Parts: sequence; structure tokens; C-alpha cells
Amino acid sequence: DIVMTQTPLSSPVTLGQPASISCRSSQSLVHTDGNTYLSWLQQRPGQPPRLLIYQISNRFSGVPDRFSGSGAGTDFTLKISRVEAEDVGVYYCLQATQFPLTFGGGTKVEIK
Amino acid sequence: EVQLVESGGGLVQPGGSLRLSCAASGFTFSSYGMNWVRQAPGKGLEWVSFIGISSTPISYVDSVKGRFTISRDDANNSLYLQMNSLRAEDTAVYYCARESVASDYWGQGTLVTVSS
Repeated sequence: DIVMTQTPLSSPVTLGQPASISCRSSQSLVHTDGNTYLSWLQQRPGQPPRLLIYQISNRFSGVPDRFSGSGAGTDFTLKISRVEAEDVGVYYCLQATQFPLTFGGGTKVEIK
Repeated sequence: EVQLVESGGGLVQPGGSLRLSCAASGFTFSSYGMNWVRQAPGKGLEWVSFIGISSTPISYVDSVKGRFTISRDDANNSLYLQMNSLRAEDTAVYYCARESVASDYWGQGTLVTVSS
């Protein structure tokens, strides 16, 4: 199984400041079809997960442009350019390149 | 508007069974693969199972193989998860999620509690 390791576990951020979350996979996420099925999800308190970014860097419909994804192979990053109060929650990376699908352990973004 | 609504959760004794349902609307259900994902209380997300278009392929996480069965009814826009031989560690909120370019739409979840 592919292990997804997220850092940090927690990220206290000042409003308006940037935040960055790292996700590392135990093996390359490049699929045989050439795509990399790495996505990022946000889970606000008491809510179901919500897709933010798919295939490394594509913002999903309705996602603000302060969210961006980057990376390749085994190393990926989610960045929030200027954290807003509504961004509080837990962020997960997810690989869907290979069964079983696996999530990172989550990173809690909170306001300082 | 894409909507996914789970139902069928509840309290069940260890060794018991439950059948979860996910009612889909707002999209052509038969054209998408579907996932079940669970979240134990206070824990992270864990993928449980996937069913593809026309029920191919089907895949499970190892911990539920032989106990859970995923299925779909395209005529009724519904996804199911039959859960047998339930254990305390199966206690979680179970979400269904549509699989497109990623798990793009999620339901609100249904809580399954396995306890005596």
C-alpha cells in the first residue's frame, strides 16, 4: 500500500499570512496513464470533506484562487496564499493512483 | 446540483449487520465510479471501497474484505454497502463520494456505531 505522510500535524497561522502543507508518498504517484492522482481535501469542523485540488494542481470548481497545489512524483504541497477565518479545518492529501486509495494523516490549520 | 445522501447507519452489536445506502441526484449516476470512505470518531479519513462504472472494478481495503460488499443500482441512482460481521473498530461516519477526476462530491455521512 502507498503510505501518505503529511507535515506538519498542526499549523497555527495568523490571518492574512500564508500556510503550506507537505505530503509525501512512499512511492511515485504517476499512473501508467501518465496522470498523477494526488488531490487535496478540506474538512471544516462538523462538515464532510470537500475537494480543493485534483491531479496535483487543478483547483476544483468554486475553490478560491488563494489555494494552490504543486509537486511531482512523491512530493506535493498545498499552499494557502493568505489564510482566512473560513480556512480553519483539517486538510488531507489523497492518492488515487493505486488501490487501496490512501489518505495522509491530516493537517490541522488553526488561527493563532 | 450534485447531491449524495447516505442513510442506514445506527447502533449494532458486534457481529451484526447493516446496509448503508447512498442516494444520488443531480448527475448521471451510471457514468461515475463511487467510493465509500469512513472516519472514526476524532480520527482521519479511511477509504473503504470503490465500485466502477457497470460495477467494474470493485476494490476494498484489506480490513473489510470478506465482510463488506459494495454494490450499485443504476436504475435507482443508488449506491450500497452491505456490512456483515461488524466489529467495534468499524465504528465511524461513513461517507459516499463520487469519483471523477478525484473524489469530487461527498455526502454528509451516516454514523455507524458497533457496540454491545
